Amino acid sequence: SAVISQKPSRDICQRGTSLTIQCQVDSQVTMMFWYRQQPGQSLTLIATANQGSEATYESGFVIDKFPISRPNLTFSTLTVSNMSPEDSSIYLCSVRTGPGELFFGEGSRLTVL
Amino acid sequence: LAKTTQPISMDSYEGQEVNITCSHNNIATNDYITWYQQFPSQGPRFIIQGYKTKVTNEVASLFIPADRKSSTLSLPRVSLSDTAVYYCLVGVGSGNTGKLIFGQGTTLQVKP
Repeated sequence: SAVISQKPSRDICQRGTSLTIQCQVDSQVTMMFWYRQQPGQSLTLIATANQGSEATYESGFVIDKFPISRPNLTFSTLTVSNMSPEDSSIYLCSVRTGPGELFFGEGSRLTVL
Repeated sequence: LAKTTQPISMDSYEGQEVNITCSHNNIATNDYITWYQQFPSQGPRFIIQGYKTKVTNEVASLFIPADRKSSTLSLPRVSLSDTAVYYCLVGVGSGNTGKLIFGQGTTLQVKP
């Protein structure tokens, strides 16, 4: 298992600003994933974050908008840049510890005004 | 990656058994099938995982036919607290690598 802590748990931001979300895991993990969940919707994978290499982004997500850092095996950050109201969402960090087993943080609820 | 299809919603009553079926016609040989539960304002939580036949744990059972093109999550005697969204995922089974894609999920409403 893995315990994941995310900060902030929620924030209200102004249009055009940027916010960095932190994800801390209580054990070393190879791969971390960042998902977005818009209100009433399923989870959408933003990117896969590997330690020591560039993140791999899914279609529709770009590094300039969602830069990711992965400095070590227990920590990652996701920045939402130049925010607009359409970025209002819950952002979830997760790690994979088995063939199909993902552990998630509680999420960071972002509201952009 | 194999795509999954589930019913969008289901209703049930307390004490009943609930079966949620997921279709994954393009499942690969080394893919596992995993089910997650999500309550409002929380991240998804792992329920059960299987490769073939039947798997049972303290929470649920997972039935997978021989062709593995579908799977059924069975929740015995549901309670109001089982009201949640349930997701079926199919992903790479080798090691701890590979991304997992969420489908639309099934919203289960348990009524008293």
